Amino acid sequence: QITLKESGPTLVKPTQTLTLTCTFSGFSFNTSGVGVGWIRQPPGRALEWLAVKYWNDDRRYSPSLRSRLSITKDTSKNQVVLTMSNMDPVDTATYYCAHIPPGSGDAFDIWGQGTMVTVSS
Amino acid sequence: DIQMTQSPSSLSASVGDRVTITCQASQDINNFLNWYQQKPGKAPKLLIYDASNLETGVPSRFSGSGSGTDFTFTINYLLPEDIATYYCQLYDDLISFGGGTRVEIQ
Repeated sequence: QITLKESGPTLVKPTQTLTLTCTFSGFSFNTSGVGVGWIRQPPGRALEWLAVKYWNDDRRYSPSLRSRLSITKDTSKNQVVLTMSNMDPVDTATYYCAHIPPGSGDAFDIWGQGTMVTVSS
Repeated sequence: DIQMTQSPSSLSASVGDRVTITCQASQDINNFLNWYQQKPGKAPKLLIYDASNLETGVPSRFSGSGSGTDFTFTINYLLPEDIATYYCQLYDDLISFGGGTRVEIQ
């Protein structure tokens, strides 16, 4: 059974850097085709894709946020870490990580429960 | 960057109705499109992948079709538990979500 869980601060100040960790179980990043993505959702608004990390160490970022994002993986800990710099109140959102299965293209088939991050001084 | 236009943004229908949501891509994306259902306070759930493939365990009243730039998502017999917001998601070199369609019961 695949599970993912997001963790990190619930409150950050403007201009700070946010670090979120996705800890997963039930799959391995050594499996060809596997990926983990980050998606966020401001309150009452639509989903927004942020970044994705693949089994082969490839990574992609949302063009509008590329300069602020970094995604890394720690295969030994079964974790994917997202950092977002220069946080602003508009970045207040629920942040999700999600699993991409092999051979699916980039369909997110299993999601974490999400973690709410508020940006405020 | 490829843009997605999802419509309508909201709709109201009766139990038993057929509901259709569309997504249009700004460029040809083959069949690289997925559909999700999100209920309030919950994470999204994958319903359809690669435009027309039903995810395991998803009821058959949900379906998807299309290829290239125009895609359709259909609920063939709307049930009260289908009240949710539905999103399309494209993948090409990058990933993008549509703006969502809120489905309500009349």
